[in-house]
Amino acid sequence: KAGVTQTPRYLIKTRGQQVTLSCSPISGHRSVSWYQQTPGQGLQFLFEYFSETQRNKGNFPGRFSGRQFSNSRSEMNVSTLELGDSALYLCASSFAEPFRDSGSISGNTIYFGEGSWLTVV
Amino acid sequence: TQLLEQSPQFLSIQEGENLTVYCNSSSVFSSLQWYRQEPGEGPVLLVTVVTGGEVKKLKRLTFQFGDARKDSSLHITAAQTGDTGLYLCAGRNTNAGKSTFGDGTTLTVKP
Repeated sequence: KAGVTQTPRYLIKTRGQQVTLSCSPISGHRSVSWYQQTPGQGLQFLFEYFSETQRNKGNFPGRFSGRQFSNSRSEMNVSTLELGDSALYLCASSFAEPFRDSGSISGNTIYFGEGSWLTVV
Repeated sequence: TQLLEQSPQFLSIQEGENLTVYCNSSSVFSSLQWYRQEPGEGPVLLVTVVTGGEVKKLKRLTFQFGDARKDSSLHITAAQTGDTGLYLCAGRNTNAGKSTFGDGTTLTVKP
């Protein structure tokens, strides 16, 4: 089955603008999480959604927001972009509900998309 | 806060050599994943281990989960240039609700 799909793959934005990134999870997965990856900070957890509800949140400012739709697809938005927001944004999906054990190895594993490269100039 | 420490942070070896990467925590995880990531791409799952003491082999890669499920290791035998990449470990604990990632080990295999 198809993997996690992220769009766009690459984009360049100007400081002060806003950006929306999209993620389609693996079919059947209802949990979608977002991460920011930079060379100096590694993988930083942004938030996780399950059944259209935000279930977990990392330590990012309110400029970072997300949502999930009824088909489990998710979007994240960054408003008032800053130079430091330049990063690879990764989306991951899993079958398991946050804070629950799905009962299977694959169900509890998260699978990543290829990421969206955001450059803020 | 759960933390996963990976070591070494950087590793540069010659093709054909063996290497081991470590992933340590003071927390217990119900499962632990290893991923490999190439520049500009998303992490690709290599393996999931769930049982304390478990050993899994994937061709030249051997993964071990500690008996207490707090640590793990990845051993690569006869490394190849294609093994070059960032290796990430991630621990899942149901109570935390999300996976915890290590900072990764950047492996460079020289021809």
